This record gives sequence, C-alpha cells and structure tokens, in this order.
Amino acid sequence: GAVVSQHPSWVICKSGTSVKIECRSLDFQATTMFWYRQFPKQSLMLMATSNEGSKATYEQGVEKDKFLINHASLTLSTLTVTSAHPEDSSFYICSARWGGSYNEQFFGPGTRLTVL
Amino acid sequence: DAKTTQPTSMDCAEGRAANLPCNHSTISGNEYVYWYRQIHSQGPQYIIHGLKNNETNEMASLIITEDRKSSTLILPHATLRDTAVYYCIVRVPGNQGGKLIFGQGTELSVKP
Repeated sequence: GAVVSQHPSWVICKSGTSVKIECRSLDFQATTMFWYRQFPKQSLMLMATSNEGSKATYEQGVEKDKFLINHASLTLSTLTVTSAHPEDSSFYICSARWGGSYNEQFFGPGTRLTVL
Repeated sequence: DAKTTQPTSMDCAEGRAANLPCNHSTISGNEYVYWYRQIHSQGPQYIIHGLKNNETNEMASLIITEDRKSSTLILPHATLRDTAVYYCIVRVPGNQGGKLIFGQGTELSVKP
C-alpha cells in the first residue's frame, strides 16, 4: 500500500508553546488529508478534513484556532497545536487519500505529543 | 451516519480462523464497509473493503450479508502478529468521498 509518514514520531513540549506535526504522502498525491486524535484506551477521533489548497473542515467540538491545519501541497499537510496544554497530550494520526471517492485511505504512524 | 456495532473483545487460537462480526443495520445503499486494524501505538492499517459482494485479498476475506446489515471479517489462519484492535467502519458520504469515522472496534487476542 501507499506510504504516509509523520514527523516527528514523538514530541515533548512545555505548556503554552506551539507544536507543528507534518504529514507526508510519499508515493502518491493526496487530494484529501485527515487528522485524527487518539487518547489512551480510546478509539480514533476525527478532528478535521482538508483538501489541497482549501481551508480545512473541522469536526464539531474541535477548535480551529487551536488546531491549525495547512494542506499547501498534494504531498504535505501540517497540524499546529497552538498554546498547547497538558490536556492536548495525545496520539495524533494523519491519513491521506488520492482521487476517487472510495479509494483506500492510508494512515501515518502517528505522533505522540506530551505537554508538560 | 450508519453506525457499526462490534464485540468489545475476542480470542482466537493461533493457526485457526478468526471471524470478526460487525453489525451495520442502518447502512445506506451506496455506503461501503471498511475494515482497518490498529496494532498498539501504530497508525491503522487498511485490511479490506466492500459494497455488497464478498471480497478477498491477501490479508482477509469480507463476507457481507445479502441485506447488507452485517458483515464478517475472516482472517483464515491467525498468527500472533494479528493481535490488534479491528475496526469495522461504514464510510460517511460527503464532499470528496466522505470520511472514516471509527467506532470502538474489537480487540482480538491471538493466543498460542
């Protein structure tokens, strides 16, 4: 299957700082990218959907000013957690899909964020 | 949204077939059923998807009932590496082909 990478794989930051997570599709052009968050022992929760060159669409309850998403190219999307707090500590997973509506959606390996 | 219901956990003996059920009684005619799995602390891995016909690939088989209200994922010869949380998902329609909304999944433990 296609490869989606994330960087960094883990990050520790101080409360109040901002953290940027990158998501790249390595061998295909991702027309749509998704960002999920997963707390321990819980399922994945969709945060937002982004299409290349367009503003992201956020799920209900997700603060768009806190979780900034940029999908500037067909191979790169970034998630910036602004003014991070300990409750933002979580496993962030991106996903990417190319083209047609029912094509496979591939997931990255995830980024573990710990806010002290 | 078509929601799915899966057992919380299942055990399977190594080498035997693992049959994971999923109910999706409110599925619409144009919604596909997807299966992913997540091994601890990794991103989900695509397994298989289908609309109404049974599907098979190198990883698994997907059996969808004629009324499409339920399906079963079959891992024909489970190994210890198949221990994971398995998610049955009905794709939510929308712009650009919709999105995958994850439920709680089934935690499959393959035992020696």
